[in-house]
Formats: sequence, C-alpha cells, structure tokens
Amino acid sequence: EAAVTQSPRSKVAVTGGKVTLSCHQTNNHDYMYWYRQDTGHGLRLIHYSYVADSTEKGDIPDGYKASRPSQENFSLILELASLSQTAVYFCASNDRGDTLYFGAGTRLSVL
Amino acid sequence: QQQVRQSSQSLTVWEGETAILNCSYENSAFDYFPWYQQFPGEGPALLIAIRSVSDKKEDGRFTIFFNKREKNLSLHIKDSQPGDSATYFCAASASSGSWQLIFGSGTQLTVMP
Repeated sequence: EAAVTQSPRSKVAVTGGKVTLSCHQTNNHDYMYWYRQDTGHGLRLIHYSYVADSTEKGDIPDGYKASRPSQENFSLILELASLSQTAVYFCASNDRGDTLYFGAGTRLSVL
Repeated sequence: QQQVRQSSQSLTVWEGETAILNCSYENSAFDYFPWYQQFPGEGPALLIAIRSVSDKKEDGRFTIFFNKREKNLSLHIKDSQPGDSATYFCAASASSGSWQLIFGSGTQLTVMP
C-alpha cells in the first residue's frame, strides 16, 4: 500500500527560529508536494518536486524553502518561522496527474 | 480568486438522509474532478472522481453529478452514516497545460445518529 510518512507529527517553534518538516514516501512516485491547510482555505500548494535535486514553487511559496535530496525524501524548511505559518502541513506524492497520497500531517504552532 | 468553490463550509444531516455537497469551478480547461475525504487527525484520501466526459459517477453510496455547462458538480452521499462525518474536498485539474490539483476550501459534514 502507498505510504507517505511525515515527521514530526507536531511541533512548537519560536518566532524567528528555523523549522524543518520531513517527508518520506515508499510509493516510488516521481512527484512530491507540500500543502498547507488552514480553516476556510482548504489545501494550498507550497512547493512540489518531480525529480530529485529539483523543486518548484507552488501557489504560496513565500517564507518556505523545499529540498528533495532523493526520490523518497522531501523536506519543507522555514528559515525564519513566523506566527502566520502556524498551520497543518501535509506532504503528498503521486505520479503525474494520478491520485494524490497524503501523509498524516504535521501540526506546527509558532509562538 | 477561488478557482474551485465549495458553497458550504459545514453541513449537518441525520443518519439515513442523503447528504449533498456542492462544488463549482471557473476554469473551463478543468477536466478531472476528484473528491477527497479527510477524517480528523488524518490526511485526505481519494473518495471518488469523475472526468468531464461523464455526467455521473457512482461508487456504492457515493455519487458525483457533473454539469459541464453550468461548471458545477455535487457529491451525493446516500443513506448517510455517522462514520461518514468528515471534511470533503472538491478538487479539479486540467490534463492539458497546468495539471496541478486545485482544492476547494472543504465542507465539514456531520451525520447525526
């Protein structure tokens, strides 16, 4: 079964600190994504990648960086965390145009 | 500008009723419309999907009705059960050009026993 694992599941960070969210997939999918979920906004795409060592900007990339060191791993980096980045973050993977498989999410609170 | 719009943020029905969740879109190039179901504490998961060449897709108690001319679609959940209580996201993508999925804001469904 397709599997996307996110770590940590929850995190509390301080404003201005660096935060790294990690994602690992065992689906052998080329595409990986980071989404942000906020009440009333649904799921918004932050960054995505279709091949290792390459990332692309999504709809709301400001304040976020991404890293894809291998096909299986995709990280989301907040260099200077801000209060407005408090949200639930989801990683997902798929093959182009196919069903998205999501991880269980990371709940990030920035204080 | 919201390309995929779900008209209700929340919906409550009684057990056994048919829940109807509505969705509309703006981009005529969209031709693939999945619905994702999300339970609390979990990531969304694909529930059912339809392509624009069809006007109806059925899978058990779940049916999508699609109106290409009006640019809207609806998810009908027949004989709703408390276990169907979840958030439902309508999404859309275009197989040509930008094929990324665009999600609506979600409808939180509560089925009362």
